[in-house]
Amino acid sequence: DAGVIQSPRHEVTEMGQEVTLRCKPISGHNSLFWYRQTMMRGLELLIYFNNNVPIDDSGMPEDRFSAKMPNASFSTLKIQPSEPRDSAVYFCASSQPTRGPEAFFGQGTRLTVV
Amino acid sequence: AQKVTQAQTEISVVEKEDVTLDCVYETRDTTYYLFWYKQPPSGELVFLIRRNSFDEQNEISGRYSWNFQKSTSSFNFTITASQVVDSAVYFCALSEVGSARQLTFGSGTQLTVLP
Repeated sequence: DAGVIQSPRHEVTEMGQEVTLRCKPISGHNSLFWYRQTMMRGLELLIYFNNNVPIDDSGMPEDRFSAKMPNASFSTLKIQPSEPRDSAVYFCASSQPTRGPEAFFGQGTRLTVV
Repeated sequence: AQKVTQAQTEISVVEKEDVTLDCVYETRDTTYYLFWYKQPPSGELVFLIRRNSFDEQNEISGRYSWNFQKSTSSFNFTITASQVVDSAVYFCALSEVGSARQLTFGSGTQLTVLP
């Protein structure tokens, strides 16, 4: 089975531009997570979906961040407008709690805002 | 609130040495899960193992072994006869049982295995 697929792998954008990160979870997984990894804060949860519904978005840093999951096989994380402090690696992960609580991660998107 | 502490920021060993990565956690839940993930230099996060709080049996998988001790809230990871390919950042994580399955990660331990 294919793992979690994220795109793009790398993104460089100018401050103020809109950035959209994409994620395709593992087929059959009904939980999806967006995490951000930085040197200062480590790995932190941004938002969590269950059956396409956002359950906990308390980790979303500001209104500039938004996430959607229009169907079971696709999710986006959007930053508008982007700022240099948003530079980080963004991971998407999915899990199927009925099979086990472990989350499987995509390869991440390295975002650089200049 | 949950918390995971990995006190060892960096560890360096010579190939074939054994190495133990420490993980201490805090949770108010009586039922929870513990995990180890590996992040090699290529950057992806690779799931290694999950333990349930009600199962304190230690586990061995090849050169990897895990020691879970509920009494000391620790879930340590030992690599026996380390290899250069083991060089990575290793993360310990915790999740509570229930509808919210998000992971709380430790800060990670950078393991460098020298040839």
